[in-house]
Amino acid sequence: DIQMTQSPSSLSASVGDRVTITCRASQNIRNYVNWYQQKLGTAPNLLILGASSLQSGVPLRFSGSGSGTEFTLTINSLQPEDFATYYCQQSYSTPSFGQGTRLEI
Amino acid sequence: QVQLQESGPGLAKPSQTLSLTCTVSGGSISRGGYYWSWIRQPAGKRPEWIGHILSSGSSGHNPSLRSRVTLSVDTSKNQFSLNMTSVTAADTAVYFCAREKRGLTGTLRYFDYWGQGTLVTVSS
Repeated sequence: DIQMTQSPSSLSASVGDRVTITCRASQNIRNYVNWYQQKLGTAPNLLILGASSLQSGVPLRFSGSGSGTEFTLTINSLQPEDFATYYCQQSYSTPSFGQGTRLEI
Repeated sequence: QVQLQESGPGLAKPSQTLSLTCTVSGGSISRGGYYWSWIRQPAGKRPEWIGHILSSGSSGHNPSLRSRVTLSVDTSKNQFSLNMTSVTAADTAVYFCAREKRGLTGTLRYFDYWGQGTLVTVSS
């Protein structure tokens, strides 16, 4: 099984900040990583696919990068609606998710 | 706009079978070659992919769930379903259905539409 480990597990930031979340895979997964945002009581929402492609309708302040075993999600100029939990997900093998990063004000 | 909606009992007894159905609207489940997935999330934990099915009936599941999972599809109703046998308290979670889309090579798999989720509690 491929393990996905996110850091940090939680993060405090302010409106207008730039934040970066890291996801590390237990083996080389090329660019088969996606990122999701989840707000309390709702389903995850796809932000980034294939490590760096922005899903349609997602604001341009979200970006993704990385390949191999290390990936990052960056949010520029944080907005109030961005405070949520973020998950990475790999599809190189049986799909699996990271443990999540909770972004708090 | 594709929409998915889970339905089924919110309570299951230990050792019994959990059964859920996902109804898809806004598009035919038979078109587009999409996979239709089940994903669950225990409270405060990461999501876990359970399995997926094509409109043809071809399916796959997470090996970690062994043979407890059976997926089925009813194209006439635009629905797909999950049966999970021999449930325990560890199966208590919010269960989501989702559309699974694939990249050109098929290795990139992502979930672009989700239902709102339904809480299933396993308890006697």
